[in-house]
Amino acid sequence: DQQVKQNSPSLSVQEGRISILNCDYTNSMFDYFLWYKKYPAEGPTFLISISSIKDKNEDGRFTVFLNKSAKHLSLHIVPSQPGDSAVYFCAASALRSGYSTLTFGKGTMLLVSP
Amino acid sequence: DVKVTQSSRYLVKRTGEKVFLECVQDMDHENMFWYRQDPGLGLRLIYFSYDVKMKEKGDIPEGYSVSREKKERFSLILESASTNQTSMYLCASSTGGALNTEAFFGQGTRLTVV
Repeated sequence: DQQVKQNSPSLSVQEGRISILNCDYTNSMFDYFLWYKKYPAEGPTFLISISSIKDKNEDGRFTVFLNKSAKHLSLHIVPSQPGDSAVYFCAASALRSGYSTLTFGKGTMLLVSP
Repeated sequence: DVKVTQSSRYLVKRTGEKVFLECVQDMDHENMFWYRQDPGLGLRLIYFSYDVKMKEKGDIPEGYSVSREKKERFSLILESASTNQTSMYLCASSTGGALNTEAFFGQGTRLTVV
């Protein structure tokens, strides 16, 4: 049973426009949410995070929104750039054996065209 | 600059071989993780460790074991490699405690079992 869901396998956006990547979760025990970006043949790199007590976090062109009642979060990239083309993973943190572990979604491949 | 280093970028092994994947981090992190990434499945947690000589099963531990003899090193062992273990393997580390959950990833090891 998948606890973190990214229902869009891919997304295509034009340069300069907004990219919106969505993520849903089912486990109400998740207390922290993160977005990672991954280029081919590289490890994921941390992008932005949000605590479950907040509803928005912004860092430059990247903003994450959290709707706890809907168990939904989204990543907005404005303006999108070709270098943003990558796979984006949504991750959620919960305690396992008393220690934080991350549960990842399947990822969304973002393609930003010039 | 934080660094998680995996010993090999690419490996090709035969079915039935015992395979060791090595990971070293230089950040003095307490927690270390092994994930595998497969197309359409995202990142799935195999094992994690929160202290030297301590280990916990993740979501898909079958066919794997781990070793953590030193704080900076976490090894993933495939006892008898099978073709369904062909995958991208990702090591990660993070600081201890429940609140700080950002994980830093290595560059990945692409393992092919033939």
